[in-house]
Amino acid sequence: AQKITQTQPGMFVQEKEAVTLDCTYDTSDPSYGLFWYKQPSSGEMIFLIYQGSYDQQNATEGRYSLNFQKARKSANLVISASQLGDSAMYFCAMRETGAGSYQLTFGKGTKLSVIP
Amino acid sequence: NAGVTQTPKFRILKIGQSMTLQCTQDMNHNYMYWYRQDPGMGLKLIYYSVGAGITDKGEVPNGYNVSRSTTEDFPLRLELAAPSQTSVYFCASSKQGASYNEQFFGPGTRLTVL
Repeated sequence: AQKITQTQPGMFVQEKEAVTLDCTYDTSDPSYGLFWYKQPSSGEMIFLIYQGSYDQQNATEGRYSLNFQKARKSANLVISASQLGDSAMYFCAMRETGAGSYQLTFGKGTKLSVIP
Repeated sequence: NAGVTQTPKFRILKIGQSMTLQCTQDMNHNYMYWYRQDPGMGLKLIYYSVGAGITDKGEVPNGYNVSRSTTEDFPLRLELAAPSQTSVYFCASSKQGASYNEQFFGPGTRLTVL
C-alpha cells in the first residue's frame, strides 16, 4: 500500500479563493510527522508546514493551514486567499520516527494552478 | 549561510559513463539525504547518512554509491550510467534533535543519460 496518497493530480483555483489539497497516509508508527512542500516551476523544494502526530492543534503558517484528521489518516493542506505565485506542485510527505533516519516518504504531488 | 549546494546543475551522460554529484551543506547538520525525482512523481530516497562515516540505503539505491567523510559533504556516485537514471537529483540535510527535523533541500541536479 502507498504510504502517502495524493488523489488530485491537478487543481484549479480562482485568485483570492481558498483551496484544499488532499493527502492521506498509512503508517503503524505511533510517532510520525507530516510535511507539505511546494515545488515551483524553477524546481526547488520549499518547506511550507509541519504537523506532528501528537500535536493537539492543527498547524498554521501564514496563509497555510493543515487540516489534520488523525483517525482518518488525512493531512490536507488549506491555502487561503490564493495568489498567482501559489501556482506550483505541492507534495505531502511523512516521516516515521521509528525509521530512525528521519527520511521522508513523498506522495506523487498535486499541481495547483491559480487563475486570475 | 549558503544552505545546501549541489553541483553540477545540469549534466548529460552517455550510457556506461560515471560521474559524481556533489552536495555540501554549511548548517552543521548531521543528517543528509539523496533523493531522485522522476517526471511527474514525488521524491524517492536513494541513500542517507546520519553522520560522518555512516551511510545506509534508501528505497532506490541500485546503481548508486555514497560516502560521508565529513559532516559537510555527501557526494553521490553513479557508476555505469543507464537511461533509467535520467532524473532530477536532490540533496537534503536536517539537524538531529530539531523540533521536527525539517529537511532543507538543495536546488537539484538535472541528469540526462543518453
